[in-house]
This record gives sequence, C-alpha cells and structure tokens, in this order.
Amino acid sequence: DQQVKQNSPSLSVQEGRISILNCDYTNSMFDYFLWYKKYPAEGPTFLISISSIKDKNEDGRFTVFLNKSAKHLSLHIVPSQPGDSAVYFCAASLDAGGTSYGKLTFGQGTILTVHP
Amino acid sequence: KAGVTQTPRYLIKTRGQQVTLSCSPISGHRSVSWYQQTPGQGLQFLFEYFSETQRNKGNFPGRFSGRQFSNSRSEMNVSTLELGDSALYLCASSQQGGFGKEAFFGQGTRLTVV
Repeated sequence: DQQVKQNSPSLSVQEGRISILNCDYTNSMFDYFLWYKKYPAEGPTFLISISSIKDKNEDGRFTVFLNKSAKHLSLHIVPSQPGDSAVYFCAASLDAGGTSYGKLTFGQGTILTVHP
Repeated sequence: KAGVTQTPRYLIKTRGQQVTLSCSPISGHRSVSWYQQTPGQGLQFLFEYFSETQRNKGNFPGRFSGRQFSNSRSEMNVSTLELGDSALYLCASSQQGGFGKEAFFGQGTRLTVV
C-alpha cells in the first residue's frame, strides 16, 4: 500500500525555468511533509518541510505547497539550475518527529534533470 | 563534525547467507533509523533505535533485525538472504528521532544478493 506517491518518474527542465515536482498521499493522518534531494552514491539530504497547518513554505529558490483537501503537495524550484539535477523524494510523517520515532513514509522519487 | 558513517559501502552475498551492516551516527545523536531503498519503491522504513531500545518498526519480515550499542552505533542484520533483499540500505541519525534539519543520512550500503 503506497501511501505516498510520486507519479512522475522523471522531469526534464531548462535552466532558469521553473521545476514543479508533485506528490500525492492517501493517509489523512499525515501532518508533516518533507522533500529530500538525493545524488547518486550519497544519502538523501533535507531540502524543505511543511506542517499541515500551513499551505506554503519558502526557502530561497524552493517553495513547498500543501493542499490538504486534495492530499497533494508540490515542490517548486525557481529558477532551476543544472546543480539541481538529482532524485527528489517527498516524505510524510504522522507528527513532526514527536512520536513517529524516525519513521518517514517516502514516495518513489522523481528524477529531475536541468539542462544548461 | 563527522557525518553518519555506514560500513561497508558495497557488499555481495549469496542467497541464504546472512549479512550485518553497520551505522555510526553523528557524535551526540542517540537515534538511528534504518531504511531500505529499492527501484520503484522509494525508501521504506525498517526500524528505529534510541538509547539501545527499538522504538519503532516497519513492515518487514523477522529476517530483518537490528540492535544499538551503548555508544549509539547501530547494526542491522538480514538472515537467509533473498534476491529481493538487494537494495541500498540507508541509516539516518538524529538526537531524538526527529526529521528535517535534525536528521542526517549516511551514504548507504549497497547490498547485492546473487
């Protein structure tokens, strides 16, 4: 049962344009969401997160949007840079780490390629 | 300070064998979580240890087990290996079991079962 889904296995974008990565979830009990970036031969690194009480969170070029009614979140990268090329994972937890004890539910990942 | 260290980085085992993977967390971190990454499945949570106690467990068979030592280093063991156990195994460390900026992943151990 895939509770967090990233339906686009890959995305190709031109440098300077916007990248939009999407994620859907089914468990309405999730209340904290995160995006991670992963380069080959490295572990995932944290990018940005959002609590379910918000609908938007920004950090520099990265913005995460949450639509609770649609159970959908998205990551916007503006402007996209070649160094952003990586696999992006969305993840969800039942709380902000308070009692989830290290457990995140991840999507399958989306490979982003930014062309110069 | 040093990051999360996983050893070995690569491993090849035969079906039916067992394997032990190691994770040394960031100094001062007491929580270690383990994940399995396979193509098309993303990362799946295996278990979490804090102060030598397993606090949380994912939906994996009993062949997957772990432990944590008093210095917070953690090991995971897979017995009676199957071809489907081929994956990247990642651990993450944090002070209390939190996420985001508080948690850091290691580079992973790539296990291949033949």
